[in-house]
Amino acid sequence: AQKVTQAQTEISVVEKEDVTLDCVYETRDTTYYLFWYKQPPSGELVFLIRRNSFDEQNEISGRYSWNFQKSTSSFNFTITASQVVDSAVYFCALSEPSWGKLQFGAGTQVVVTP
Amino acid sequence: SQTIHQWPATLVQPVGSPLSLECTVEGTSNPNLYWYRQAAGRGLQLLFYSIGIGQISSEVPQNLSASRPQDRQFILSSKKLLLSDSGFYLCAWDLTGNSKNEQFFGPGTRLTVL
Repeated sequence: AQKVTQAQTEISVVEKEDVTLDCVYETRDTTYYLFWYKQPPSGELVFLIRRNSFDEQNEISGRYSWNFQKSTSSFNFTITASQVVDSAVYFCALSEPSWGKLQFGAGTQVVVTP
Repeated sequence: SQTIHQWPATLVQPVGSPLSLECTVEGTSNPNLYWYRQAAGRGLQLLFYSIGIGQISSEVPQNLSASRPQDRQFILSSKKLLLSDSGFYLCAWDLTGNSKNEQFFGPGTRLTVL
């Protein structure tokens, strides 16, 4: 069975600090996809990134970066120089290869204070 | 471009009353459709998914039902609401047959059962 663990319930930082969100997953499939979503206070989930299991290259998009390590089954997310607008709940998710059902982690609340 | 709508945005209902939440998708054909519930505590639970008109799969036994009367319409219903049905309900879609595609989420409906 697939499982996604986000052990950090809440992380509080001061603006401009870096914050790293951990995501550990379990799957028996050799082909799978990993995702990160952001849920701001408004509630709507916003897609941030998708990574397939064969691409372990790290990715950077502006202040966001992702570190995928298949050896440790982790897909961590770092926000550099955090801003108040980064305050949200962040979800890591894993999809089954047959079709796109997502298994979500419990989410990590990020609170950025000025 | 594709958009997804949900209504109502918020709803307060007494215990024992019926429920009907609607989700519609524009700008795509034959999407997979999903209903999620997010109870207090942030975790996302998949309730139902549909790969086509009239085809509904339930992920967990519960007091709710789903229907898909049209290709781009997904309805979540209940005959008698329970207190435990309170939560934030999110509808999502993705393209049929391709697990690597991210799911796109609607704005959600916040349901309070009193």
